[in-house]
Amino acid sequence: EPEVTQTPSHQVTQMGQEVILRCVPISNHLYFYWYRQILGQKVEFLVSFYNNEISEKSEIFDDQFSVERPDGSNFTLKIRSTKLEDSAMYFCASSEGTSGRGETQYFGPGTRLLVL
Amino acid sequence: GQNIDQPTEMTATEGAIVQINCTYQTSGFNGLFWYQQHAGEAPTFLSYNVLDGLEEKGRFSSFLSRSKGYSYLLLKELQMKDSASYLCAISGGYNKLIFGAGTRLAVHP
Repeated sequence: EPEVTQTPSHQVTQMGQEVILRCVPISNHLYFYWYRQILGQKVEFLVSFYNNEISEKSEIFDDQFSVERPDGSNFTLKIRSTKLEDSAMYFCASSEGTSGRGETQYFGPGTRLLVL
Repeated sequence: GQNIDQPTEMTATEGAIVQINCTYQTSGFNGLFWYQQHAGEAPTFLSYNVLDGLEEKGRFSSFLSRSKGYSYLLLKELQMKDSASYLCAISGGYNKLIFGAGTRLAVHP
C-alpha cells in the first residue's frame, strides 16, 4: 500500500540553525501538507501546497518557514533560523487533489525535531 | 474561528463498546474526520462524514449532525490495541484539517 515517507526520523539542531525536513508524498497525490505536534499538544496545521504554490497557511507559518517541491517526488519544509519553540514532531501529509475539498489526508511517520 | 471539544480521557473494557463525542464550531465546513494516533506515531485515518448520519466501517462507526455541531466515534468489540488517542478534525478552507486535542482511550482487560 502506498504511503507517505519522511526523512530524517529525528533531527537535533542548535538554535539559529537552518533545518530542512523532507517528505515523499504518495505518488499520484497532488495536494501536500505540513502539520506539527508539540509534545503533549494537538496536531496543528502549518501549510497546504497545490500546483506548485501555497494554497493556505496558518499564523504559525511565518517568514521563518518555507516549502518547496524541488523535483517530482520530494516536498520539503525549511525552517530558516530555528527557535527552541520549534521543537515538535513535524508531519507531512498528502491527498489526491482531485475531488476538491474535504479530501482524506494520509500522514507520514513524522520527523521529531529537537532544537537545543 | 474554529473550536473543537472532545473529552480528554476515557477508559473501557476489552470487548465493550465506547462512544467518543466531539462538538465543534466552525466558520467553514468541508467534513469531519476521525483519526487514530498511537503514542509517538502519525495519525491514521479512520472515518469521514460530510452529510448527517451514520457511517459504518467494520468495528468503527461515526455519526455527524451538522445542525448540532456534533459527531461521535463508536468503537465496538474493543481490543487492547485500540488503546490510543482519537482525534476529531474539521476540514475547512482549502482542505486544511483543524484538530481537536484528542481523546486518550485506555482499554483494559
